Amino acid sequence: GENVEQHPSTLSVQEGDSAVIKCTYSDSASNYFPWYKQELGKRPQLIIDIRSNVGEKKDQRIAVTLNKTAKHFSLHITETQPEDSAVYFCAASLRQAGTALIFGKGTTLSVSS
Amino acid sequence: DGGITQSPKYLFRKEGQNVTLSCEQNLNHDAMYWYRQDPGQGLRLIYYSQIVNDFQKGDIAEGYSVSREKKESFPLTVTSAQKNPTAFYLCASSLQGGDTEAFFGQGTRLTVV
Repeated sequence: GENVEQHPSTLSVQEGDSAVIKCTYSDSASNYFPWYKQELGKRPQLIIDIRSNVGEKKDQRIAVTLNKTAKHFSLHITETQPEDSAVYFCAASLRQAGTALIFGKGTTLSVSS
Repeated sequence: DGGITQSPKYLFRKEGQNVTLSCEQNLNHDAMYWYRQDPGQGLRLIYYSQIVNDFQKGDIAEGYSVSREKKESFPLTVTSAQKNPTAFYLCASSLQGGDTEAFFGQGTRLTVV
């Protein structure tokens, strides 16, 4: 089936550094790309999303970029803080037989102070 | 708490038994989803439903069944045919399918004993 590849699987940074997580997708009809943050023992929650008609979107310290031609999108976190430590998932909408979100395998981000 | 409720939080099942996980939402969302989360595997799609009385298989539907008799409810049955059912199961809903934000329940941890 369609899939979403996410890299890296783990990422360790110092507080104040930037963090970048990258994803690629295979379904050229995908048009919605959300990012979710899952803290330990909690449910995934949306932190930012982007649609295919936009190349970049920013919300304070978080930004997402999308390259539809190359079928990849990235999450950028600047000025990282310890509370940014969590598992981050990218996802892409699946157009086959109605739609659903297909998720990457996740990136465990650790921010040390 | 997010309008989507999963129960129970923890569930134990003996091998060979079927078990049903509950998922209810009061967000008036049309679409609902079931994902399975295993360490290092991300969120894998089991089944999804865009409207009442209709649902589609995801990537790992074997050994699972669902029903969508009401808009608010999307129960998942883990059958004895599922070879490795021990996992964390997440239910989600969205307003109009995979092109809109998915809201997750708190999850059910199923353990086969």
